[in-house]
Amino acid sequence: GAVVSQHPSWVICKSGTSVKIECRSLDFQATTMFWYRQFPKQSLMLMATSNEGSKATYEQGVEKDKFLINHASLTLSTLTVTSAHPEDSSFYICSAIGPVGGANQPQHFGDGTRLSIL
Amino acid sequence: EDQVTQSPEALRLQEGESSSLNCSYTVSGLRGLFWYRQDPGKGPEFLFTLYSAGEEKEKERLKATLTKKESFLHITAPKPEDSATYLCAVQAPSELSFGAGTTVTVRA
Repeated sequence: GAVVSQHPSWVICKSGTSVKIECRSLDFQATTMFWYRQFPKQSLMLMATSNEGSKATYEQGVEKDKFLINHASLTLSTLTVTSAHPEDSSFYICSAIGPVGGANQPQHFGDGTRLSIL
Repeated sequence: EDQVTQSPEALRLQEGESSSLNCSYTVSGLRGLFWYRQDPGKGPEFLFTLYSAGEEKEKERLKATLTKKESFLHITAPKPEDSATYLCAVQAPSELSFGAGTTVTVRA
């Protein structure tokens, strides 16, 4: 149980284009989803937290107009990197928790998306 | 400021050579400590949750323990398939903080 699917797993695109990443909870209702960024040999850095049906809460230093997050249903959240540039190249990972257990339950992660901007 | 420090950064073991990984933390109001395993190019895979000092959890060759200041992940008689980066994360009232991880390599 508690499976999170992330798509695509790898994307390469030209500078200036927008890229959408999907995160789906396959066997539970994800009341809260999280988006992280991870640089090589570094830990996960939280970018934003989204609750179904409401606006995402962004961490300090994360541009909300650059990284658009939509959590329109209990099983799907999307992250759109708008007008992507080479410095946006990174490994993006989503995670989700369900309604039982509150914020103290473990997050379940997708397999990440490797984004490379040329 | 909440901090989570993992040591060592890297650990190379011979198959069957048991060892321990450390996760030390300074948080106010610990709500839970989580251990994850992360394989290259993949997202973290949940292993354990520990909520209070003295608590222990086991899964196959892995055993996690918790004190008031740190947690240990013991790997008993590791196999090559245990090679991965192990992350700990600490849940405080307002946020979840991750350590940088310990990369374990087990040689046959």
